[in-house]
Amino acid sequence: QKEVEQDPGPLSVPEGAIVSLNCTYSNSAFQYFMWYRQYSRKGPELLMYTYSSGNKEDGRFTAQVDKSSKYISLFIRDSQPSDSATYLCAMSDSGGGADGLTFGKGTHLIIQP
Amino acid sequence: DGGITQSPKYLFRKEGQNVTLSCEQNLNHDAMYWYRQDPGQGLRLIYYSQIVNDFQKGDIAEGYSVSREKKESFPLTVTSAQKNPTAFYLCASSAWTSGTDTQYFGPGTRLTVL
Repeated sequence: QKEVEQDPGPLSVPEGAIVSLNCTYSNSAFQYFMWYRQYSRKGPELLMYTYSSGNKEDGRFTAQVDKSSKYISLFIRDSQPSDSATYLCAMSDSGGGADGLTFGKGTHLIIQP
Repeated sequence: DGGITQSPKYLFRKEGQNVTLSCEQNLNHDAMYWYRQDPGQGLRLIYYSQIVNDFQKGDIAEGYSVSREKKESFPLTVTSAQKNPTAFYLCASSAWTSGTDTQYFGPGTRLTVL
């Protein structure tokens, strides 16, 4: 089973707010977790990559993985209008997504100036 | 500049025609992938290839075909057997032999059936 659940939004927040984006999944074999940002009519851009459970921080972005709850999150601090995009979670049971990634449907995020 | 290129950016197809979407990468990645994205949907895997001259079906391979004659290239043909081909097609590549790497995407091709 490869289902990944993600709220499609839209999620609208004021500039400067902390944004929380989430995905749940059912396949306990998933070990590699990614967040991609996709602007309209563009290819997805890798934001964060984590392996197994734990936190990872990169600038204004923090990714959290809780494998026991099958729940992953992406936090964006000091949100900017340029963060307005669709955020896709993706996951894999193999390194590098060797046999393909399983994606959520994406959350459409709007940062209001 | 290293990266993944897809062409054309926009493609129009008449009913009953086969069309081929191009994907090229100069990242020296072993693995390449084709995904389809529909409005409000996540990406769905069509085909993938982990090595030259070998490829595997993904979740929605019916009506599509691929070839992998060169490491750098992984073209996708949308055949007339694909009943609903209008979508955004994304190519990706990965150095999957590294456990710390993941997939990187091209800019996409938007296919519309007239």
